[in-house]
Amino acid sequence: GEKVEQHESTLSVREGDSAVINCTYTDTASSYFPWYKQEAGKGLHFVIDIRSNVDRKQSQRLIVLLDKKAKRFSLHITATQPEDSAIYFCAASRGTNTGKLTFGDGTVLTVKP
Amino acid sequence: DMKVTQMPRYLIKRMGENVLLECGQDMSHETMYWYRQDPGLGLQLIYISYDVDSNSEGDIPKGYRVSRKKREHFSLILDSAKTNQTSVYFCASRGTGGNSDYTFGSGTRLLVI
Repeated sequence: GEKVEQHESTLSVREGDSAVINCTYTDTASSYFPWYKQEAGKGLHFVIDIRSNVDRKQSQRLIVLLDKKAKRFSLHITATQPEDSAIYFCAASRGTNTGKLTFGDGTVLTVKP
Repeated sequence: DMKVTQMPRYLIKRMGENVLLECGQDMSHETMYWYRQDPGLGLQLIYISYDVDSNSEGDIPKGYRVSRKKREHFSLILDSAKTNQTSVYFCASRGTGGNSDYTFGSGTRLLVI
């Protein structure tokens, strides 16, 4: 089955810098790649996703890149703010119709003022 | 506001007791999920339900069963809980349609002693 590896278990940046979290996947049929943010003691909050028909997507300060050849996708958070501090999870799925999401192990992002 | 609601938020049970975790959604989503989250790990899929009485095992179904008698409710049952089932359990739902994403509940923290 699909395996998703999230490369950074922890990441610390200074406020205003960019943060990059990298994930790789194994299933070449995966076509949907969402990212989730989890604040302490809370559930997962959807932040952004990308589908395999594009290689870049931006939503305000969030950019997601997808390299299908390398089976790699990444989340870039620009101009980081202390409230960006959280655990970020990447995930992969064969597409929304199949519904099974496989998660990475999470990256603890700390943004220092 | 679209919502997935989990009850209870916190639960302490003794080993061997039965446990019922409940999840509700108000979006008429067909597909619902139960995941568990352990420290340092991503979310692991326990069960998927594609609709009423249409359930499928996920990656770690052993020791769990589910019930879906109404579209808006999806229950996770632990018959004779074990200490290694101490975890945070998340329910999620997903609607069909091209741009659907997954909506997660806030989680149930279960401690089995």
